[in-house]
Amino acid sequence: DTEVTQTPKHLVMGMTNKKSLKCEQHMGHRAMYWYKQKAKKPPELMFVYSYEKLSINESVPSRFSPECPNSSLLNLHLHALQPEDSALYLCASSQESRPQETQYFGPGTRLLVL
Amino acid sequence: AQKVTQAQTEISVVEKEDVTLDCVYETRDTTYYLFWYKQPPSGELVFLIRRNSFDEQNEISGRYSWNFQKSTSSFNFTITASQVVDSAVYFCALSEAGGETSGSRLTFGEGTQLTVNP
Repeated sequence: DTEVTQTPKHLVMGMTNKKSLKCEQHMGHRAMYWYKQKAKKPPELMFVYSYEKLSINESVPSRFSPECPNSSLLNLHLHALQPEDSALYLCASSQESRPQETQYFGPGTRLLVL
Repeated sequence: AQKVTQAQTEISVVEKEDVTLDCVYETRDTTYYLFWYKQPPSGELVFLIRRNSFDEQNEISGRYSWNFQKSTSSFNFTITASQVVDSAVYFCALSEAGGETSGSRLTFGEGTQLTVNP
């Protein structure tokens, strides 16, 4: 089973709202990732968690706040977003945070910021 | 720094044609890993294959085959007898063994939009 689930599938929010994206995997993976993907572009790495600790933050604005409550769950808290933050947000997981590990992706959350 | 180039932005074929998607990479590492992912309109990236830099053996999986050539830094992907369901964006990606924090980074190409017409 290589399933990563994400909720919600779609989200529309205003610039003053606070919302959260959720990601879950039950493969026993110890590394989890958030990516942002704009239309017709490849995914861009935002954050990496390894063993529930933040190991990589790709200089993401503080209006995006990741959280890893346990090894199966990854959240992305959103606050005071801008319209340019509208994108597909993808979660991924891998066995470990190592270059040879395959990352398995969820279906994504399509976010629209008005 | 690493780089992945997918020169074909869009490819359109008729069903049952064979099609090859090109991927050229740049890296200074001697140990690295190459991946192909498929992204259908639904959005999810579907893993297709991983290849290690020290294993140049080509691979075939059903209608899919991959040709890895270190001499030309290429990792091309061929779909034989294409089907409408193959329509998607295909990404080639690279990760380097490099430093401790570089290991988790996938460098993606810009992707190739493949459209298979009936």
